[in-house]
Amino acid sequence: EAQVTQNPRYLITVTGKKLTVTCSQNMNHEYMSWYRQDPGLGLRQIYYSMNVEVTDKGDVPEGYKVSRKEKRNFPLILESPSPNQTSLYFCASSRGQGLAGANVLTFGAGSRLTVL
Amino acid sequence: RKEVEQDPGPFNVPEGATVAFNCTYSNSASQSFFWYRQDCRKEPKLLMSVYSSGNEDGRFTAQLNRASQYISLLIRDSKLSDSATYLCVVNYDTDKLIFGTGTRLQVFP
Repeated sequence: EAQVTQNPRYLITVTGKKLTVTCSQNMNHEYMSWYRQDPGLGLRQIYYSMNVEVTDKGDVPEGYKVSRKEKRNFPLILESPSPNQTSLYFCASSRGQGLAGANVLTFGAGSRLTVL
Repeated sequence: RKEVEQDPGPFNVPEGATVAFNCTYSNSASQSFFWYRQDCRKEPKLLMSVYSSGNEDGRFTAQLNRASQYISLLIRDSKLSDSATYLCVVNYDTDKLIFGTGTRLQVFP
């Protein structure tokens, strides 16, 4: 089944304790992206990657890191989480951006993170 | 002005009703437009792309008005299962999609 898998789905942690949210897709998609969703603010892009070893900042990259060493994986790293990073996080992938019909996103099921 | 704006709702409609949502966008160079559906606490899923000439998929019709910079979604014969949040998505440039904050629809019996 074509899918985007992210883990963990739920996590409660404390301020400053490094954590990684993994994301993996099995569709051979070139484009991958991380979003956070907060009430009243909608989905905001954190980082995205057009291909292996190519990553770029989205709208809200502060406090986050990403890497794209392999096409299928795009982990999100919070080096020193803070309470304002409490949110619902989604990973998504698509065949590519800027191509007609190719930028339809497939989302993972979401990771709900609480930072105390 | 927000890049993509939607009325948050909620739109409360009875089963069988017809309901329409609009979404305005600020970038006149945008080329790709989509409606996604998001159920509570779940991931967004593509409902339909929006084409220049308008397009229909069963009970759902999407329209694009470039002159006024808005897209619309019309749902006919609403079902209880249509209750969800509908996200308008517009490409900002070749690398970027902007999401609206969503319009919540509640269909009641």
